[in-house]
Amino acid sequence: DAKTTQPTSMDCAEGRAANLPCNHSTISGNEYVYWYRQIHSQGPQYIIHGLKNNETNEMASLIITEDRKSSTLILPHATLRDTAVYYCIVRETGNQFYFGTGTSLTVIP
Amino acid sequence: GAVVSQHPSWVICKSGTSVKIECRSLDFQATTMFWYRQFPKQSLMLMATSNEGSKATYEQGVEKDKFLINHASLTLSTLTVTSAHPEDSSFYICSAISVRTEAFFGQGTRLTVV
Repeated sequence: DAKTTQPTSMDCAEGRAANLPCNHSTISGNEYVYWYRQIHSQGPQYIIHGLKNNETNEMASLIITEDRKSSTLILPHATLRDTAVYYCIVRETGNQFYFGTGTSLTVIP
Repeated sequence: GAVVSQHPSWVICKSGTSVKIECRSLDFQATTMFWYRQFPKQSLMLMATSNEGSKATYEQGVEKDKFLINHASLTLSTLTVTSAHPEDSSFYICSAISVRTEAFFGQGTRLTVV
């Protein structure tokens, strides 16, 4: 079962940073934090993941709090194509990926 | 990123018939594949986990005799919806993982049973 809590929806102005929060207060020491997004009628797309250190790649940055009970996905310069449902998932290597309800991000022109 | 391909992208079938959906990992060997179902405006629901060469593990409430999963090779898994009914109409999505930790997803198959 999903172990994360995310806001149902968020808006972000085009060109601004989108900060998507995720709570995972029951995360265990072996569980990673993953972020995926799903654009309408497509399969989810991998964005980024991390264990305890902050991570950055060409798509986004992942900030994990020191106690690991929450994290934030940052899209530095949101574009209209970033409009999607964003899923935060905690998972231990070898286990399944369970999806919660996610955050529906709308990037506004 | 790695590529996972599903076929077909969409299918319409008559009630009572069976439909097979294929999931292929194109550029890596998938030790594990997952099958999900997604109804409109809902999240992805995990149906089953399959490991190459062994029987699939089904989530609670998913009928294994209705949703047959075969994972015969490291690059191919199939989901067969047997005796499909209109309530089985949904978006079916597979994903695959290898030695890397992240999963990659197919583009999904939209099944409509009429």
